[in-house]
Amino acid sequence: GQNIDQPTEMTATEGAIVQINCTYQTSGFNGLFWYQQHAGEAPTFLSYNVLDGLEEKGRFSSFLSRSKGYSYLLLKELQMKDSASYLCALDNYGQNFVFGPGTRLSVLP
Amino acid sequence: DTAVSQTPKYLVTQMGNDKSIKCEQNLGHDTMYWYKQDSKKFLKIMFSYNNKELIINETVPNRFSPKSPDKAHLNLHINSLELGDSAVYFCASSQDLFWDRPYNEQFFGPGTRLTVL
Repeated sequence: GQNIDQPTEMTATEGAIVQINCTYQTSGFNGLFWYQQHAGEAPTFLSYNVLDGLEEKGRFSSFLSRSKGYSYLLLKELQMKDSASYLCALDNYGQNFVFGPGTRLSVLP
Repeated sequence: DTAVSQTPKYLVTQMGNDKSIKCEQNLGHDTMYWYKQDSKKFLKIMFSYNNKELIINETVPNRFSPKSPDKAHLNLHINSLELGDSAVYFCASSQDLFWDRPYNEQFFGPGTRLTVL
């Protein structure tokens, strides 16, 4: 099976940088997704990593290390609207997706 | 201009009843999915459906059955509802992988909050 772990909650200050970690155990996967989910809303796509390394998209970056079974999402210049849950998910070759438990991020003024 | 829509948004029903949730996507995507998000916010895939190929998560009870009248619709029918079925159900869709599309980002519907009394 596949096991994914994320911190349950994190708190950060507006304007700061926060790193949300995702560790996993799996025998193989195509890539790793990050989704954002605001309370009471649907998840929305943030990023995808298939190769090791950093993918940058504006204020958000995502990193993957397959050898270490580890990914992180980096959020820069935090804004109040970034308060949400962040879900990492393993992509099993487009046939199945396994989501982590999510990290609830609170951004304080 | 909704990409993935679901109805109803809220569904409250009694144990033992049968209910359906409808999902439609106007993105022209090839694959549709159903997810269950429980009270602890775990998002778990239930089904994926692509060109009439149904992939079922083996942990899903057979009281749950997806029905796809066409490529743009994937409805979820639930028989003999139980208390543990209370959750938010999300429909999603994605385009197939292709040489210029290395991943299949999923677009989620707004969710249906099911409460079984």
